Amino acid sequence: GAGVSQSPSNKVTEKGKDVELRCDPISGHTALYWYRQSLGQGLEFLIYFQGNSAPDKSGLPSDRFSAERTGGSVSTLTIQRTQQEDSAVYLCASSLALEGEETQYFGPGTRLLVL
Amino acid sequence: QKEVEQNSGPLSVPEGAIASLNCTYSDRGSQSFFWYRQYSGKSPELIMFIYSNGDKEDGRFTAQLNKASQYVSLLIRDSQPSDSATYLCAIDNYGQNFVFGPGTRLSVLP
Repeated sequence: GAGVSQSPSNKVTEKGKDVELRCDPISGHTALYWYRQSLGQGLEFLIYFQGNSAPDKSGLPSDRFSAERTGGSVSTLTIQRTQQEDSAVYLCASSLALEGEETQYFGPGTRLLVL
Repeated sequence: QKEVEQNSGPLSVPEGAIASLNCTYSDRGSQSFFWYRQYSGKSPELIMFIYSNGDKEDGRFTAQLNKASQYVSLLIRDSQPSDSATYLCAIDNYGQNFVFGPGTRLSVLP
């Protein structure tokens, strides 16, 4: 089956504009994660959705960042009033999140550049 | 706060040698351990996972887990230049608290 897909693959925006990043997880995966990775840096956890539970938003860096997951499938990460320091690759991953099935599978990422 | 630590490297090994990548973690409750490889400009991809103490082998890769010492390692035998990448260690507790380490950059010299 298809893997995790993300869109757009690249996004260039001006400082102060809002952006929406989309993630389509693997069908049947109940867990969905968003990460941010700046150039040459490690993965920075942003937010985690698991089934119908309240999302773990502990990694969101500011209130300009928000995410939704509709119908337990597609997720949208929204960044309001973008700043230059928001420039990074935004990665989405999904998993079954079951004992023995915790492996996260990553999408190709969205490269965001804020001018 | 769960922590996963790795030497950032770069770790340089000659082609054909064994590369040894190490990872320590702070949460004794961790149940699952993963090694991901990330090529420059690409997304992380899973290499191996291990749940039990001891060794797990898959081709040229061996994962070693020691829960008492809170230590997991990845050995790459017969290293190839194509193994040059950043290797991320990750730990989890039944999908609830997945944490990635900062990664170790490996360079295999031809």
